[in-house]
Amino acid sequence: QQQVKQSPQSLIVQKGGISIINCAYENTAFDYFPWYQQFPGKGPALLIAIRPDVSEKKEGRFTISFNKSAKQFSLHIMDSQPGDSATYFCAAPYNQAGTALIFGKGTTLSVSS
Amino acid sequence: DAMVIQNPRYQVTQFGKPVTLSCSQTLNHNVMYWYQQKSSQAPKLLFHYYDKDFNNEADTPDNFQSRRPNTSFCFLDIRSPGLGDAAMYLCATSREGGGYEQYFGPGTRLTVT
Repeated sequence: QQQVKQSPQSLIVQKGGISIINCAYENTAFDYFPWYQQFPGKGPALLIAIRPDVSEKKEGRFTISFNKSAKQFSLHIMDSQPGDSATYFCAAPYNQAGTALIFGKGTTLSVSS
Repeated sequence: DAMVIQNPRYQVTQFGKPVTLSCSQTLNHNVMYWYQQKSSQAPKLLFHYYDKDFNNEADTPDNFQSRRPNTSFCFLDIRSPGLGDAAMYLCATSREGGGYEQYFGPGTRLTVT
C-alpha cells in the first residue's frame, strides 16, 4: 500500500514560534495533499490542502509548501498559539477515484505559553 | 448546521457480543467512510461507500461489516468484538470527486470488556 511518512512524531514550540511538520509520499498519482487537525476527543477536521501544480498555499497563519521533485510537502504554522495544540495529520488520496485517503502517523503539537 | 452525527458517543460491549454503531449526515454527500483510530495512531480506513457501491479495504477483518440503507445513514456492525477492537470509530463523508476533503463526525469510543 502507498505510504505517507510524517515527521516529527511530536513537537513542542513556544508561543509565537514557527511549527514545521513534514510529510513524504511515494505515489506521484496523488492529486491533492490535505492536512487535518484533530483535537482530543474530536474527529479530524480539514485544515488546508494543496494541489501539486502549486508550490505554496497560505491560509492565515497556516502555509503548505510543496516540493514535487522531492515528493515532500510540509505544514508551517506561523505565530503558533496554545490553541494550535493538537495532532496534525498529513494525508493523500491513494485510489484512482480519489475517494480514499491514507493518513500519515500524526504529529502531536504542544504550544507552550 | 450541516454535519456528521455519530451515535452513541460511547459504547461498552462485552467480548464477542455484537455491536452496531451508527452515523448520519445532513451534508447530502455521496461518499461515506468508516475509520478505526486507536490511541495515538492515525485513522485507518475500514471501508467506504460511493453511493451504494461498497469498497472494502483489503486488510479490514471480516468481523467488520457495514450497511448503508440510504444516502443519509451508514452503520458499522462488529459481529464478535475482541479486545483488540477497542478504539475510536470515526465516520466521515465527502462529495463526489472531493475525497481529499472529508467531514468527520465526533466518533464513537468503543470499549470491549
